[in-house]
Amino acid sequence: DTEVTQTPKHLVMGMTNKKSLKCEQHMGHRAMYWYKQKAKKPPELMFVYSYEKLSINESVPSRFSPECPNSSLLNLHLHALQPEDSALYLCASSKVGVRTDTQYFGPGTRLTVL
Amino acid sequence: GENVEQHPSTLSVQEGDSAVIKCTYSDSASNYFPWYKQELGKRPQLIIDIRSNVGEKKDQRIAVTLNKTAKHFSLHITETQPEDSAVYFCAAPGTQKLVFGTGTRLLVSP
Repeated sequence: DTEVTQTPKHLVMGMTNKKSLKCEQHMGHRAMYWYKQKAKKPPELMFVYSYEKLSINESVPSRFSPECPNSSLLNLHLHALQPEDSALYLCASSKVGVRTDTQYFGPGTRLTVL
Repeated sequence: GENVEQHPSTLSVQEGDSAVIKCTYSDSASNYFPWYKQELGKRPQLIIDIRSNVGEKKDQRIAVTLNKTAKHFSLHITETQPEDSAVYFCAAPGTQKLVFGTGTRLLVSP
């Protein structure tokens, strides 16, 4: 299996809702990432997990809460989001090296916050 | 600081022409340079990458060149086809993460 999968594909939520995004990979990769991508912009790093431990938090607001239950799964819990948080949320994984190993992206979750 | 500049921001070519996209990075210790293609509504997909121990790498119609002295690398697409139309991102390692360029929107007209 050489793919990163993400669910759901689309998500619409109100500002008071709680929802979760899920990501899975079965390539044996030990680094997993959450990115946020706005239209016509490059992916913007949010979090990095290395060997199931949070290694990078790019000063992301606490309304985004990542979780790595095991080496294959990555979640992003969402609570009290703002309309400006509407974006494409991409998960990615790489073998180990955050800076030197190829990152493989999932298809993304298109999030709309009303 | 960490910075990857990418030019041009948009590029329009006729089918069959060549396209060149250039990126400049700031960290002289960088040693891995991937290029991603992102079609509308889809995920970024790696199309080619190069490591600093080589100056050029080719894969069919796509090639990447690296000039470590000048700290720039380029993507070359020959015999462009309409399906090459997409946004292309270069990337280079920063202090702790991969830093992406701002993207180039390539439009190949039939």
